[in-house]
Amino acid sequence: AQKITQTQPGMFVQEKEAVTLDCTYDTSDQSYGLFWYKQPSSGEMIFLIYQGSYDEQNATEGRYSLNFQKARKSANLVISASQLGDSAMYFCAMRDLNQFYFGTGTSLTVIP
Amino acid sequence: SQTIHQWPATLVQPVGSPLSLECTVEGTSNPNLYWYRQAAGRGLQLLFYSVGIGQISSEVPQNLSASRPQDRQFILSSKKLLLSDSGFYLCAWSPGANTGELFFGEGSRLTVL
Repeated sequence: AQKITQTQPGMFVQEKEAVTLDCTYDTSDQSYGLFWYKQPSSGEMIFLIYQGSYDEQNATEGRYSLNFQKARKSANLVISASQLGDSAMYFCAMRDLNQFYFGTGTSLTVIP
Repeated sequence: SQTIHQWPATLVQPVGSPLSLECTVEGTSNPNLYWYRQAAGRGLQLLFYSVGIGQISSEVPQNLSASRPQDRQFILSSKKLLLSDSGFYLCAWSPGANTGELFFGEGSRLTVL
């Protein structure tokens, strides 16, 4: 069964606008971690933000915030004030003990 | 500080030839190590992970194998490559179970012709 689901293959956002990238996950464990990574065209995987399953507050890192809704099992990434350099693939991931599961990714294009 | 390196960065191999991708981590001990494959325009598929020397868990049965001969060294191999083995291979490490994020290497782009 799919552990991480990203239902948006591609998204467009106007420069300086905010955008939400969706992610839902599936686990029966109580302790897990949720991550977002950015992959520009160069291929490198860049860690953006982390949310622990026991964290009560939503994680924030600069322009990135993670909208964590535990009961819904969703961990959406919000990027505020989009910049042209934000154009990339974005992957949601879940750490479950020793394993990290990734979604299929969302391709974000920022339009000037 | 911790670093991770993998090589080669790019390789083109004929069908049926062997493969060896190497990954090393510096600045930490007893890391969990991972090999992922990313097909063009697709997500990351976990191939192998290791929690210690000689301990390899395989997620996807295929003609690839992995070995961990030293604590911070992880090797991905194949005896005979298939066309379907083409892709972008990423090595990664994490501090341990339920701890920390995943840190990725630069990636190795494999084209099988």
